[in-house]
Amino acid sequence: AQTVTQSQPEMSVQEAETVTLSCTYDTSESNYYLFWYKQPPSRQMILVIRQEAYKQQNATENRFSVNFQKAAKSFSLKISDSQLGDTAMYFCAFMKGDTGTASKLTFGTGTRLQVTL
Amino acid sequence: DAMVIQNPRYQVTQFGKPVTLSCSQTLNHNVMYWYQQKSSQAPKLLFHYYDKDFNNEADTPDNFQSRRPNTSFCFLDIRSPGLGDAAMYLCATSAFRVRDTEAFFGQGTRLTVV
Repeated sequence: AQTVTQSQPEMSVQEAETVTLSCTYDTSESNYYLFWYKQPPSRQMILVIRQEAYKQQNATENRFSVNFQKAAKSFSLKISDSQLGDTAMYFCAFMKGDTGTASKLTFGTGTRLQVTL
Repeated sequence: DAMVIQNPRYQVTQFGKPVTLSCSQTLNHNVMYWYQQKSSQAPKLLFHYYDKDFNNEADTPDNFQSRRPNTSFCFLDIRSPGLGDAAMYLCATSAFRVRDTEAFFGQGTRLTVV
């Protein structure tokens, strides 16, 4: 079974600063996806960024980027130029690749990020 | 352009009274998931459908059932809600066997049991 660990329950960052959220995972799979999801106070889960395990290049989406260390099973999220709208709960998630059956998302426990003025 | 729609957004039910939550999608995805999320916790998968194939998680109580009459709709039935079932219920969809797959979530239904 896969496990996802987020060791930072809460973090705070000032507007315009950079913050890094940590995530580690454990799996014996070689084909998988990793995700960061954002859940603002309105509660709809929104995909922030996705990384395919077979890709060595770190994914980036505008102000969001990841540091994917496959050997270390680490998948951190960096938010640059933080904005007030980034305030949310952030979940790291794991999904197995094509296994012949539909895969499911396994979530970490989340990191609550507060962006302050 | 809501793609995964959950109804209702808020549901209050009495202890022991059956309740049904609904989810619809416009994405034509073959996989639909139901997650339970309690306050400040990670979403916990209850079950999922791959097309019509139902996949129950081992630790999902029998009190929780699901139906998927067609690709677009999926229902979560709680046969006898207890106080411990109060939570946010999240529906999600994904397209299996598609490169760059991701899960799309609805806004959730917050269930209160009184």
